[in-house]
Amino acid sequence: KNEVEQSPQNLTAQEGEFITINCSYSVGISALHWLQQHPGGGIVSLFMLSSGKKKHGRLIATINIQEKHSSLHITASHPRDSAVYICASYSQGGSEKLVFGKGTKLTVNP
Amino acid sequence: NAGVTQTPKFQVLKTGQSMTLQCAQDMNHEYMSWYRQDPGMGLRLIHYSVGAGITDQGEVPNGYNVSRSTTEDFPLRLLSAAPSQTSVYFCASRRGRRETQYFGPGTRLLVL
Repeated sequence: KNEVEQSPQNLTAQEGEFITINCSYSVGISALHWLQQHPGGGIVSLFMLSSGKKKHGRLIATINIQEKHSSLHITASHPRDSAVYICASYSQGGSEKLVFGKGTKLTVNP
Repeated sequence: NAGVTQTPKFQVLKTGQSMTLQCAQDMNHEYMSWYRQDPGMGLRLIHYSVGAGITDQGEVPNGYNVSRSTTEDFPLRLLSAAPSQTSVYFCASRRGRRETQYFGPGTRLLVL
């Protein structure tokens, strides 16, 4: 069983909609990453967080350590947000090894 | 800064051939990692390094070797390529234990 589970697998939205992608992890963590993979294949880091909430532009990431759950929100979605969004956590407390979810493919239609 | 660079971008190998995927970073990052990405599997860690001269195995290390003789370079060697190693390979680096990770553009490998 993958230690990091994402939902939904696929998500289609209309431009302007509010988007939520969920990530659940099964081990205690010190940090969780959200990544974006563009249709061309490149991967960029969006957020790294260990508590609370972080915001960058229209993107907001939250984490609840007690519930082992994180969410990525996109406000006022745009077709250029279409990508695969991936969360990742460290496999155990002191580990250097990142474990990745399988990703959520987001398509935003104009 | 060029960031994380990988060469080649695309490679076709025959079963049994060996090759080296190159990865370099110019950000003076201590931590470097190699991942493979397969459809439906997500990214999986092959090998990683926490500094020059220090490497360790990840989730799927079999069939791959790494070395880290300098801070900048972290090559991945395929010893005897197999069709199961057909994948997209990403190299990544970060400054410290709980820091932002930077990814290279990827190498698409096809083993026939």
